[in-house]
Amino acid sequence: EADIYQTPRYLVIGTGKKITLECSQTMGHDKMYWYQQDPGMELHLIHYSYGVNSTEKGDLSSESTVSRIRTEHFPLTLESARPSHTSQYLCASSKLAGGNNEQFFGPGTRLTVL
Amino acid sequence: GESVGLHLPTLSVQEGDNSIINCAYSNSASDYFIWYKQESGKGPQFIIDIRSNMDKRQGQRVTVLLNKTVKHLSLQIAATQPGDSAVYFCAENRRGADGLTFGKGTHLIIQP
Repeated sequence: EADIYQTPRYLVIGTGKKITLECSQTMGHDKMYWYQQDPGMELHLIHYSYGVNSTEKGDLSSESTVSRIRTEHFPLTLESARPSHTSQYLCASSKLAGGNNEQFFGPGTRLTVL
Repeated sequence: GESVGLHLPTLSVQEGDNSIINCAYSNSASDYFIWYKQESGKGPQFIIDIRSNMDKRQGQRVTVLLNKTVKHLSLQIAATQPGDSAVYFCAENRRGADGLTFGKGTHLIIQP
C-alpha cells in the first residue's frame, strides 16, 4: 500500500463553485503529480512539482492550479468549477532521482460538476 | 502523433490460464516502462517495470518483455486469478520528460 492520500474521494458540486482537492504523502518524496483520467481512459498529466515552491504544467492543459508549500502536500484548486471539469483526478509521487522511478498513486478523487 | 497504446481494450481469459497484454509505443526516446494495474475505484498500482537496456524482467507471476526493434511491450500474467481482474496500463518515461505517458488500458476479464 502506498502512503499517499486523497480527499475527498467523491465530490459532487454545482457550477461556479471553488474547490480544492487534497493530496498528501508520507514517503518523503520530492516529486508529486496530478493526473486527470476519464472513465476507462488513459491518464493525462496536468501538473507536477519537483519540490517545495516548484509547480509546473503538464502535457494536458488544465484550468486548475496547484501549490506546494510543504513537501508532503500538493493540493489542486479549481476557482470556478464547470461540467467540463467532471473527471477523476489522481495524485502521485516519486523520488526525485531522474525519471526512472516508480510513481505511487493515491486512490483518486471522482469529481462531478453539475 | 507519438503515443503509448494497447492493442485491445478488453481481454477475456479463463481462470488459471496465462494472460498476455500488449502495448505498442512509438517514441524511440523512451527509456523506462511501467505496467500498472487499476482496480475499479482505485488508483493505479505498480506491477513491474523495465528499462530500455533490458529485454525481459520477471516478478511474482508476472513477466514483462520489451522488444525495442518493433517498439512493443507485453505483460504476461501466469495462472490468472479472479483478483487479476482490472484495467492494465502501460506507461513510458520519455528521456528528459517529467512525467509518465500512459496508454489507453486493457480491461482484463477473468472467466470462471
